[in-house]
Amino acid sequence: DAMVIQNPRYQVTQFGKPVTLSCSQTLNHNVMYWYQQKSSQAPKLLFHYYDKDFNNEADTPDNFQSRRPNTSFCFLDIRSPGLGDAAMYLCATSREGLKNTEAFFGQGTRLTVV
Amino acid sequence: GDSVTQMEGPVTLSEEAFLTINCTYTATGYPSLFWYVQYPGEGLQLLLKATKADDKGSNKGFEATYRKETTSFHLEKGSVQVSDSAVYFCALTAANTGNQFYFGTGTSLTVIP
Repeated sequence: DAMVIQNPRYQVTQFGKPVTLSCSQTLNHNVMYWYQQKSSQAPKLLFHYYDKDFNNEADTPDNFQSRRPNTSFCFLDIRSPGLGDAAMYLCATSREGLKNTEAFFGQGTRLTVV
Repeated sequence: GDSVTQMEGPVTLSEEAFLTINCTYTATGYPSLFWYVQYPGEGLQLLLKATKADDKGSNKGFEATYRKETTSFHLEKGSVQVSDSAVYFCALTAANTGNQFYFGTGTSLTVIP
């Protein structure tokens, strides 16, 4: 089945140690998103790619970076994780050009910072 | 800017009770509206959607009608089950939102036997 896959499901990292979360999709969607979701809150958009065009939200900290080497893969890099970065990170895709298409989400990566 | 305002929770219902979760939106264009559901420890799954005024989205016994006159997209289910316990998010996207999806704050639903 076509889907959005995030790896790993659970990630533990040390305070200040760089960490990378990955997302892959088999939907061939041209838009990919990274959301941060803290407990009992709505997902917060960090950035998204429209094809290769990177769009950063104004309030996304510089500590968060992203790479999209090809259509299928997108990575979230946290350069120096702090305790406040512990959250669920959600990857999503959508197909721009298809009218009113929805966003398809992966299962998320739960990041713990120790 | 575009936004979604969602009924605050948590909501606790007995099995077979009627469910309504309110959602209103603000949008400058003509948004598409969505309800997503999130089970514990999981990502978001699309529950239903509506793309134009008066459309009714439905799935798994849940329904929501796109009401342009009241800018609302309330989620309803006639008889909830324990398995419906989850967090529900209302969301919108529109041509002028730059591919962004705007989410409400989520409503936690617990259904007790």
